[in-house]
Amino acid sequence: DQQVKQNSPSLSVQEGRISILNCDYTNSMFDYFLWYKKYPAEGPTFLISISSIKDKNEDGRFTVFLNKSAKHLSLHIVPSQPGDSAVYFCAASGGVTGGGNKLTFGTGTQLKVEL
Amino acid sequence: NAGVTQTPKFRILKIGQSMTLQCAQDMNHNYMYWYRQDPGMGLKLIYYSVGAGITDKGEVPNGYNVSRSTTEDFPLRLELAAPSQTSVYFCASSPSAMEQFFGPGTRLTVL
Repeated sequence: DQQVKQNSPSLSVQEGRISILNCDYTNSMFDYFLWYKKYPAEGPTFLISISSIKDKNEDGRFTVFLNKSAKHLSLHIVPSQPGDSAVYFCAASGGVTGGGNKLTFGTGTQLKVEL
Repeated sequence: NAGVTQTPKFRILKIGQSMTLQCAQDMNHNYMYWYRQDPGMGLKLIYYSVGAGITDKGEVPNGYNVSRSTTEDFPLRLELAAPSQTSVYFCASSPSAMEQFFGPGTRLTVL
């Protein structure tokens, strides 16, 4: 049972345009969500997070939006740069019954930013 | 700070062999985790620890064992390696079970 889903395995965007990466979850106990970025042959690195008490969090070019009623979050990258080309993982964490000590990861979306 | 370090970077094992993947962190984090990533898949949690002396199973623990005798180290033991354990293994640590810091990974092939 995939509790965190990233339905787009890949996304291609032109440099300077907006990249929108999507993530859906099924476990209503999840209350904290994170995005990680991964380059080939490296470990994932933390990018941005959002708590369920918020619906938006910004950090520079990166913004995460959370729609709790739809159990959906998205990561917006504006403007997209070639260095943003990587795999992006969505992850979620919950309270005690939702696995509060652990993260559940999606399968990732490969973003390619073209010149 | 070296962060999270993992050794070895690469390893080829024969079926039935055993090995230990090493993981160390110098950030004094209580939480540590072992994940595996198969091609085209997300990260699957193998085992985790909330502090020295405390470990618990994740989503895919079969065929693995862990120990946590110190805050810094969290080795992962593979007994009787099988081809299904061919994967990239990531260790991570966290101060709060939220944001996790990952090591560079160990690429393991079992032939």
